[in-house]
Amino acid sequence: DSGVTQTPKHLITATGQRVTLRCSPRSGDLSVYWYQQSLDQGLQFLIQYYNGEERAKGNILERFSAQQFPDLHSELNLSSLELGDSALYFCASSTPGLAGVISKPYNEQFFGPGTRLTVL
Amino acid sequence: AQTVTQSQPEMSVQEAETVTLSCTYDTSENNYYLFWYKQPPSRQMILVIRQEAYKQQNATENRFSVNFQKAAKSFSLKISDSQLGDTAMYFCASSILGGGADGLTFGKGTHLIIQP
Repeated sequence: DSGVTQTPKHLITATGQRVTLRCSPRSGDLSVYWYQQSLDQGLQFLIQYYNGEERAKGNILERFSAQQFPDLHSELNLSSLELGDSALYFCASSTPGLAGVISKPYNEQFFGPGTRLTVL
Repeated sequence: AQTVTQSQPEMSVQEAETVTLSCTYDTSENNYYLFWYKQPPSRQMILVIRQEAYKQQNATENRFSVNFQKAAKSFSLKISDSQLGDTAMYFCASSILGGGADGLTFGKGTHLIIQP
């Protein structure tokens, strides 16, 4: 158990719908990352939040958005869902270094168990 | 931008044998990390080993070791005395060192099967 929790475990919905995935980071971790794992695209970094602020963006679609709340949990919102959005969505957490400072020691990203999204 | 390439979609070896998984990467950064992650059938992502690019010494974790060739941008994983529990997808990944923005860039993965 990594200490990162994700809900729900499974989600089945229809095209055009909107869903929200939830992530609770490990206690003390300030940073949350979202990743998508699909057969077509493999494992892709979507977005990173640090202490409530967006820190980095990866290959996140405009239909997707995320936020991190004051209690540090995060939500990933997926809208206008398409068949190709079916994937396993991972959340990870860590406490990265400050901007401009090399992180020593390395702050490992701990992955949650993922949410399996199926779009029919 | 960083890219990570794994050219072996699937490998199969006998239990107790040694196996090497290949990975090449490309980055314009001077400071970066490289990783190998394991994803067993449970789908949990597990960090196997990491390498700081500024360190010349190859990282080792028990039966797992890497061969890091910085000039060639190569980062292979060697698993010694392979065990049935090593059967999993293995992903090579990279991230920028420092700066606080360190989303991982993954390769497509290698499915490793350990035969009894």
